Amino acid sequence: SQQGEEDPQALSIQEGENATMNCSYKTSINNLQWYRQNSGRGLVHLILIRSNEREKHSGRLRVTLDTSKKSSSLLITASRAADTASYFCATDDSGYSTLTFGKGTMLLVSP
Amino acid sequence: KAGVTQTPRYLIKTRGQQVTLSCSPISGHRSVSWYQQTPGQGLQFLFEYFSETQRNKGNFPGRFSGRQFSNSRSEMNVSTLELGDSALYLCATRTSGGGDTQYFGPGTRLTVL
Repeated sequence: SQQGEEDPQALSIQEGENATMNCSYKTSINNLQWYRQNSGRGLVHLILIRSNEREKHSGRLRVTLDTSKKSSSLLITASRAADTASYFCATDDSGYSTLTFGKGTMLLVSP
Repeated sequence: KAGVTQTPRYLIKTRGQQVTLSCSPISGHRSVSWYQQTPGQGLQFLFEYFSETQRNKGNFPGRFSGRQFSNSRSEMNVSTLELGDSALYLCATRTSGGGDTQYFGPGTRLTVL
């Protein structure tokens, strides 16, 4: 069953704009991870944020985590056409290797 | 370091057949997990192997099985294929477990006719 639920399901923006995706989950977690997937290919790891962290940055990516609300957001600044992909949040709630994924947000960045 | 490799990349089978997929982890990674991705169910965890032992298992029928070799390479097998087994099968590896980043392979696209 899905733990994370991404919102929105689809997002269409212009190059240069910012894109924000949200993820909600249900149980306590050890960490939350964001992945990108291009058109049915493998998942590329973007960023991991641990349960005791509130914000993390990596290049044009900014992730926040609010454990009290069981939610996270991924902000991509200054979007590029190459950012077009599906983005998934995944929760690691056991410390083992089971990641529970949401259904993802499809991001389309138009030139 | 070379990334996670999966073979074959594409596979077409007919109902009732069986299939074996392979995953070679990043050097030094001992944990291998398998996931199934379909449009309807999304990404679902199949099982995880660590040091040749299944450490975790998802909610899939016994037709889905796997194993891990001493060099950490892993295989998954699906017997008596059904149309609904058509999916992208992804493996993910990490050093040991316990909150580390998982690195995914490119996947094997299985089509069951």
